[in-house]
Amino acid sequence: SQTIHQWPATLVQPVGSPLSLECTVEGTSNPNLYWYRQAAGRGLQLLFYSVGIGQISSEVPQNLSASRPQDRQFILSSKKLLLSDSGFYLCAWSWDSRANVLTFGAGSRLTVL
Amino acid sequence: TQLLEQSPQFLSIQEGENLTVYCNSSSVFSSLQWYRQEPGEGPVLLVTVVTGGEVKKLKRLTFQFGDARKDSSLHITAAQPGDTGLYLCAGAGYGNKLVFGAGTILRVKS
Repeated sequence: SQTIHQWPATLVQPVGSPLSLECTVEGTSNPNLYWYRQAAGRGLQLLFYSVGIGQISSEVPQNLSASRPQDRQFILSSKKLLLSDSGFYLCAWSWDSRANVLTFGAGSRLTVL
Repeated sequence: TQLLEQSPQFLSIQEGENLTVYCNSSSVFSSLQWYRQEPGEGPVLLVTVVTGGEVKKLKRLTFQFGDARKDSSLHITAAQPGDTGLYLCAGAGYGNKLVFGAGTILRVKS
């Protein structure tokens, strides 16, 4: 069966510090990978998605970047965090690009102080 | 830009009551999904509806996709405290990207 792991679960960082959130998927090959941000337990905003190694599409201009160094690894990064980067970040995967069912990780709660 | 509007935003009811959550758009979606999310966790898929007019039942939950595939509803019969959570609808639209509604926070009191 497929599993998705996301870490760290909770992170408190000062403004201006770097960020790295990691997501890995097990039990499948060539998944589509996504990073979402959720504000105040409400709707999800798509930040990045990837259909393959090194292929990243950005949905919203922002202070964040994403990378996919391996088939089942997706990383969300920032060089300098802003207060507005605080939120709940969710990684997800799907079988293909037809917006099929998304399976989400448990999320990473980021607080920027 | 495709948007999905969910209503109500917040719902607090007593155990045993029925409720309906709505998801509306002016855009057509090829499919629509409903997710349930508990605090501090990722959303979990409840159902996917694909055909206009489709009705799916999952125990006490009934999901309907509008005939024109622009709207959907989730009806819960005899709500229980375990139904408490955030309910999200998501539509597969242009470029096959999922568009999420803002969610409905449901609280069922015992």
